[in-house]
Amino acid sequence: EVQLVESGGGLVQPGGSLRLSCGASGFIFSSYDMNWVRQAPGKGLEWISYISSSSSTTYYAGSVQGRVTISRDNAKKSLYLQMNSLRAEDTAVYYCARATSLYGMDVWGQGTTVTVSS
Amino acid sequence: DIQMTQSPSTLSASVGDRVTITCRASQSISSWLAWYQQKSGKAPKFLIYKASILENGVPSRFSGSGSGTEFTLTISSLQPDDFATYYCQQYNSYPYTFGQGTKLEIK
Repeated sequence: EVQLVESGGGLVQPGGSLRLSCGASGFIFSSYDMNWVRQAPGKGLEWISYISSSSSTTYYAGSVQGRVTISRDNAKKSLYLQMNSLRAEDTAVYYCARATSLYGMDVWGQGTTVTVSS
Repeated sequence: DIQMTQSPSTLSASVGDRVTITCRASQSISSWLAWYQQKSGKAPKFLIYKASILENGVPSRFSGSGSGTEFTLTISSLQPDDFATYYCQQYNSYPYTFGQGTKLEIK
């Protein structure tokens, strides 16, 4: 079964850091580009970051540029999102999603919740 | 960035109704549009890609159409399981962008 499982969310103080992980199974992880998408409470979906299959290319949304770093370890079939200088507005459920040029984002994890609060 | 605008924001309908949701892009995205269904507390479910192609396992009552800047998602005969929030998303170019969502409610 094709599956993505996020972890690493939690409660963090403003200005703090957090590293999210996304484990993949059921497909050849190293062949796929990956994305992170978030959803603030009661709000819509917001794409925040992309990484190519070989890690050669990364993109970030303006809302997180300079504070977030996406990375991956193909040997471990894992995707990561290092988040620094966290703000209250970063409070959201964070999803990892598989990306293809044909389908867009066809497989999503169940999400991990990040709460930024003092 | 490409802006995606969905309408309506909320839609009230009954089981058996035919409903249509519209999504407009601020510039041409060819057919690089996906639709997702999301239920409360759950991850988005991938429904349609390339504007009109149903993902495996998606019921045939769902259909998508359009190209360029105008797109629609139609549900031909609403079932109880269809009441949810629907999002369109362009994947023509990064940054990927989503519509604001359409909440489909039971009338």
